[in-house]
Amino acid sequence: GNSVTQMEGPVTLSEEAFLTINCTYTATGYPSLFWYVQYPGEGLQLLLKATKADDKGSNKGFEATYRKETTSFHLEKGSVQVSDSAVYFCALRSGGGADGLTFGKGTHLIIQP
Amino acid sequence: NAGVTQTPKFRVLKTGQSMTLLCAQDMNHEYMYWYRQDPGMGLRLIHYSVGEGTTAKGEVPDGYNVSRLKKQNFLLGLESAAPSQTSVYFCASSYSKAGWTAEAFFGQGTRLTVV
Repeated sequence: GNSVTQMEGPVTLSEEAFLTINCTYTATGYPSLFWYVQYPGEGLQLLLKATKADDKGSNKGFEATYRKETTSFHLEKGSVQVSDSAVYFCALRSGGGADGLTFGKGTHLIIQP
Repeated sequence: NAGVTQTPKFRVLKTGQSMTLLCAQDMNHEYMYWYRQDPGMGLRLIHYSVGEGTTAKGEVPDGYNVSRLKKQNFLLGLESAAPSQTSVYFCASSYSKAGWTAEAFFGQGTRLTVV
């Protein structure tokens, strides 16, 4: 079956630091890969996605590249801000897509001024 | 554009009570989902629906029932609540034609406490 493994936090960084959150996956076929972000007290919002190998998703300074050879989709940002503090979820979707996304456990990111 | 709306946002139940969570989406999506979020567990799929009148079990369906009588609504029912069902519940929807590339749109969540 499908599964997603991501580094567990909390991850604490200083403002303007470089961010990497690791994500690896196991899936049948060729899945689409997603990063979602959840701010305190809110639902999940799509941050970025990639639908085929070597695709790079990007949004709000965040990037992730779909690496089929290493089954990875690591999230990166060059300079984090306090406002990036949130929980980040890596997820995948495969097959016909009807049965929803499979999520990792989430990484709590804390950015200190 | 409201997107996905969940009702209620908070609820406290006593063990054995029943309740229904309502999810409504205005994006004309075919697929709808109910997830629960627990600390350290991520999001786990409870039930899902691929269209009006259809439902299917997800990863953790026990203790829950669902109905999709109208395309825009997806109801999650707890017939006899247990403390283990204390969680945050999220509804989501997605567009079927996009298949496995489709993103899911999420509601704001319902925080349920069973005492």
